[in-house]
Amino acid sequence: KAGVTQTPRYLIKTRGQQVTLSCSPISGHRSVSWYQQTPGQGLQFLFEYFSETQRNKGNFPGRFSGRQFSNSRSEMNVSTLELGDSALYLCASRNLAGSGHNEQFFGPGTRLTVL
Amino acid sequence: SQELEQSPQSLIVQEGKNLTINCTSSKTLYGLYWYKQKYGEGLIFLMMLQKGGEEKSHEKITAKLDEKKQQSSLHITASQPSHAGIYLCGADSQGAQKLVFGQGTRLTINP
Repeated sequence: KAGVTQTPRYLIKTRGQQVTLSCSPISGHRSVSWYQQTPGQGLQFLFEYFSETQRNKGNFPGRFSGRQFSNSRSEMNVSTLELGDSALYLCASRNLAGSGHNEQFFGPGTRLTVL
Repeated sequence: SQELEQSPQSLIVQEGKNLTINCTSSKTLYGLYWYKQKYGEGLIFLMMLQKGGEEKSHEKITAKLDEKKQQSSLHITASQPSHAGIYLCGADSQGAQKLVFGQGTRLTINP
């Protein structure tokens, strides 16, 4: 099976612009989560989507939004970019069939630089 | 909210030596995950632990979850340059479908 893919891998934007990142989960995985990783804050949870519905959300401002499509692919949007939004954005998918805990599989990430 | 603390924050060891990384939780762990990350890349899943006292091994890496389910350790035997990277522990927040992560341990292997 192909792993989690993210596009683009690198992105440079300027303050005030908006950006859309894309994530394709592992085939058959219906849960997609997004994380932001920065040197100062580490890995922080943004939100999770399952069957096109947002199930959980982290403590990020409303400028961060996402959606999931019927094929489980997900997009994340950040509007009115700020310098502090520069980070590695990671997407992870998992198979939630059955109960219990299921490991998340991560994509390679999108490195966003805001100038 | 649940917090995970990893120690040490960084580690430099001679190739061939053994090492241990610890992950301590502020609350009972219901699912503990270990990941490895090469700088600037995605996370590679290593192991998942759920039961108190559980121990899992893969090649030269062994992970354990203590009986009280509040601490986990990752042990690498006979370290190799390929083991270098950042090791992160993550935990399921009870009742929430999200992972919280420790701050990571940067491992350097000197030849």
